[in-house]
Amino acid sequence: NAGVTQTPKFQVLKTGQSMTLQCAQDMNHEYMSWYRQDPGMGLRLIHYSVGAGITDQGEVPNGYNVSRSTTEDFPLRLLSAAPSQTSVYFCASSYQDPDSSGNTIYFGEGSWLTVV
Amino acid sequence: DQQVKQNSPSLSVQEGRISILNCDYTNSMFDYFLWYKKYPAEGPTFLISISSIKDKNEDGRFTVFLNKSAKHLSLHIVPSQPGDSAVYFCAALTSYDKVIFGPGTSLSVIP
Repeated sequence: NAGVTQTPKFQVLKTGQSMTLQCAQDMNHEYMSWYRQDPGMGLRLIHYSVGAGITDQGEVPNGYNVSRSTTEDFPLRLLSAAPSQTSVYFCASSYQDPDSSGNTIYFGEGSWLTVV
Repeated sequence: DQQVKQNSPSLSVQEGRISILNCDYTNSMFDYFLWYKKYPAEGPTFLISISSIKDKNEDGRFTVFLNKSAKHLSLHIVPSQPGDSAVYFCAALTSYDKVIFGPGTSLSVIP
């Protein structure tokens, strides 16, 4: 069972380059999101989607674009990479748990990005 | 300004003893909280959650306590095991299923 799959796992970019982090989930979850993890900052939400065709900004959206053309895929695009975007990126998917007032989030294994 | 705070960056506990990880939040509208565990080079994994209609939730060795008046929750691990060594993130669920994470506490359980 794949769960949430992120690629690539490691990437080095030069300042100004663009790239796309891929994310796919096979659990038919409605909600998908992208987080970045930085030391002492925890996980911060970049963009999220509540369903195919719907995306919205999170806490730190600048410099990133997303799209959600299918339920399964939620790619994150870096338009012009900057050293400040050096981070670990986590894609996540989640569903509304009918037995509780919240949901459960499933994370991918992370993508380590370095911008030089 | 962080809305979810974990003021202890690290914690060391002897194997078999209790581990207590603390978390404070600032927004009284938060009504659902989660704890995640993260090993190095892996994604966070869900551990336990609690709704604001409860003040305690247990799952095996893990218990989460919620004190709404103090805007404080804590995760108790009893007994602690070396495999519990990881970074623990406290998180609050906001509207639209957005989750706000704390900065994490690194737990080391010493054999």
